[in-house]
Amino acid sequence: DAGITQSPRHKVTETGTPVTLRCHQTENHRYMYWYRQDPGHGLRLIHYSYGVKDTDKGEVSDGYSVSRSKTEDFLLTLESATSSQTSVYFCATGNEGEQYFGPGTRLTVT
Amino acid sequence: AQSVSQHNHHVILSEAASLELGCNYSYGGTVNLFWYVQYPGQHLQLLLKYFSGDPLVKGIKGFEAEFIKSKFSFNLRKPSVQWSDTAEYFCAVNAGTASKLTFGTGTRLQVTL
Repeated sequence: DAGITQSPRHKVTETGTPVTLRCHQTENHRYMYWYRQDPGHGLRLIHYSYGVKDTDKGEVSDGYSVSRSKTEDFLLTLESATSSQTSVYFCATGNEGEQYFGPGTRLTVT
Repeated sequence: AQSVSQHNHHVILSEAASLELGCNYSYGGTVNLFWYVQYPGQHLQLLLKYFSGDPLVKGIKGFEAEFIKSKFSFNLRKPSVQWSDTAEYFCAVNAGTASKLTFGTGTRLQVTL
């Protein structure tokens, strides 16, 4: 597995608060991705990055923003958390082809 | 936009039974195809992939998949499942830029002893 870590691994937060999730990779992969996993929906792409400071929206980007200031780090921010954002969030990285996934962050918004 | 369909949502098999999980995609051009597995409480791991060449691809742990272009399918097979294969299986397609993947909704496989 690629060296991908996510922090925090678990978080409980209140509605309306901002939350930032971090993804860190040691593989020097060009692409990085944020997904959310929900029952019955599989994995859905939130945002992705194709290089430092280069990011784009995925299919469920509303309410989320991202930043990539270094190759190894990709941050996902929930600007004002809502209960509908309770989910498991996975980071993934890759070059051309397959993606490698991090361990996930379980986020609960109360 | 491309989409991926996994019609089997929950499959229950006895150990040693044969497995086939369906995956169909909608995209008319060149695709790269993947199967990922997620064991309980863990992250997704790559089982196998198809980029080009032999349409029958072999992956880890005895799994294989066949790409049938005319049917837009990439079904996953294993001749004899084990209890340790209990997991959720996701089919994914890459047909665009930035190596983005579109995932199916997953198939939960439960193998009983």
